[in-house]
Amino acid sequence: GENVEQHPSTLSVQEGDSAVIKCTYSDSASNYFPWYKQELGKGPQLIIDIRSNVGEKKDQRIAVTLNKTAKHFSLHITETQPEDSAVYFCAAIGPDGLTFGKGTHLIIQP
Amino acid sequence: DVKVTQSSRYLVKRTGEKVFLECVQDMDHENMFWYRQDPGLGLRLIYFSYDVKMKEKGDIPEGYSVSREKKERFSLILESASTNQTSMYLCASSLLLGLAAEQFFGPGTRLTVL
Repeated sequence: GENVEQHPSTLSVQEGDSAVIKCTYSDSASNYFPWYKQELGKGPQLIIDIRSNVGEKKDQRIAVTLNKTAKHFSLHITETQPEDSAVYFCAAIGPDGLTFGKGTHLIIQP
Repeated sequence: DVKVTQSSRYLVKRTGEKVFLECVQDMDHENMFWYRQDPGLGLRLIYFSYDVKMKEKGDIPEGYSVSREKKERFSLILESASTNQTSMYLCASSLLLGLAAEQFFGPGTRLTVL
């Protein structure tokens, strides 16, 4: 089955700086890679996704890159703001369904 | 706007009790899911259902069962709760399985088993 590794488990950055979260996956058949943001007391919410036929996707301050050869994908957040503080999960969808990474707790320092 | 609701935000039960966690979605989604979320372990799939009365085991089904009698409702049942089932339980729904299968999550139920 699919195995998704996510790093780091905790990331602390100064407000205004960039944050990068990295994930690797094992199943080359996986073809859809969503990122979820979970704020305190809430369920995860999709923030951006990328399909296997695209190398990069951007939505305002958030971007995701995908390297299919290396089987890794990354979330980039620029100009971080206090409201970016949350737990972020990457995931991969393959033949066996959706597999989540273990999550990254992003802390934005004022 | 998709809405997934869960019957309780917080629940405290005793060991051996039968526990029902209810989930309702209002977007006519075919697929519904139950996950548990534990620190350092991320989200782990317990069961999912792709149609009424249909269910499939996820990665950690032991100690749980599910029921889907109506399309909009998916219940997670702990037949005899144990302390190691203390966790955050998340319900989700999606229109499609596989590609383009965005999952919409409920707010979660934090279950404590004493």
